[in-house]
Parts: sequence; structure tokens; C-alpha cells
Amino acid sequence: NAGVTQTPKFRILKIGQSMTLQCTQDMNHNYMYWYRQDPGMGLKLIYYSVGAGITDKGEVPNGYNVSRSTTEDFPLRLELAAPSQTSVYFCASSYAQSGYEQYFGPGTRLTVT
Amino acid sequence: TQLLEQSPQFLSIQEGENLTVYCNSSSVFSSLQWYRQEPGEGPVLLVTVVTGGEVKKLKRLTFQFGDARKDSSLHITAAQPGDTGLYLCAGAPTGRRALTFGSGTRLQVQP
Repeated sequence: NAGVTQTPKFRILKIGQSMTLQCTQDMNHNYMYWYRQDPGMGLKLIYYSVGAGITDKGEVPNGYNVSRSTTEDFPLRLELAAPSQTSVYFCASSYAQSGYEQYFGPGTRLTVT
Repeated sequence: TQLLEQSPQFLSIQEGENLTVYCNSSSVFSSLQWYRQEPGEGPVLLVTVVTGGEVKKLKRLTFQFGDARKDSSLHITAAQPGDTGLYLCAGAPTGRRALTFGSGTRLQVQP
């Protein structure tokens, strides 16, 4: 099992550009999440999904979009990148919601200049 | 305002010392989790506490869930350099679906 994989590992964007961060899990988890982590800080939830076709906003959804067409994949789309979106992005998955372990990917380090 | 407040934010200690990290909230949680994150990696789950007053031990780490299920603590005995990392508490307040993470405690253990 690869667990949760994310691509790319690093990316530099210019202001106004768009990109998609990819996330795939092979554990057949229904729940998937996107977080951002600013330097020295905890994780803030951007979006989450409780199953294919169902997504919901987290704490900081503005400037991002998600889709969940399959159980395995949960891509995060940045439209019109801004310097405030410079961060490390983590994708995670879990068998169910609260009380169950979340498995995290290795992260994508994004810089917007 | 952070739903989960962690203290201290930073801790630098010598190998062999004991320490306690706190995670506090005004909200009630059905469960709380503790994760450890090493540089360049995603967080990894250490423990989940579910019952108010529960104490769980993981080798030199002791986790406690408050009686009212609003707070938790992590105590490390005889810290080692391998304990260095960012410790995060996380929980879903009663009635919410998704986890909220605390801001973390960055621990450095000097040899």
C-alpha cells in the first residue's frame, strides 16, 4: 500500500496562475481532506469530502475548489494564485470521521510570487 | 480565535528531562487525538482518547483526556532527541463533522 500520495512535492507559481494539486489514496477510505499549514503553525482545513460526489467547506475555503469523482482521488484546484496561498498543503484520508486516524500525504510546498 | 489552544508553543529541553504539553478548549469533544509531525513530513497519529478522564500510555508518553472532555495533556518522561518534533492535538467538537487542529507545540530535545 502506498497510502496517501501527493503531487507535485514543490511548485512555484506566479500571481494569477492556476494549478491543481493531486491527491490519491489506496486504502479505500471514504473521507478525504485538504489542509494548509503555514510556517510554525497547525493545520487549517480547506475542504473535505465524505464520499465520491460529496464535498464540503472547511475553515479556509476561499480561493480553492475541489472535486471528488472517485473514492481514490481528491484534487485541489487553486484559481488565480495569490501570495497568501504560499503554504504547505497536506491531503489526508480516514476510514470515517472523528475518532478515526487520519493518514497524511507527504505534502506539497507551494510558493506564490 | 483558535478552537484548540496548545501550550507552550515552543519547548527546548535537555535529554532526560520531563515535560507536559497542554491542549485546551471551551468546547466539548467526543474524542481528541494527538499527532506528531517531523520536518518535511505529514503528521502521524500517536493516540486517540475517547472517554472523559481516560489515561493512555505509549512507552514514555502519557496522554490524559479531561473529565469534562474539553482538554487533554501529553506528558513525556525522560525525553530523548528522537522525541523532537511538532506535537498537534486535534478533535471534532460535538456536532461537527471535521477535525480541528491546535496550533501545535514545537519540541526540541537537546542531546
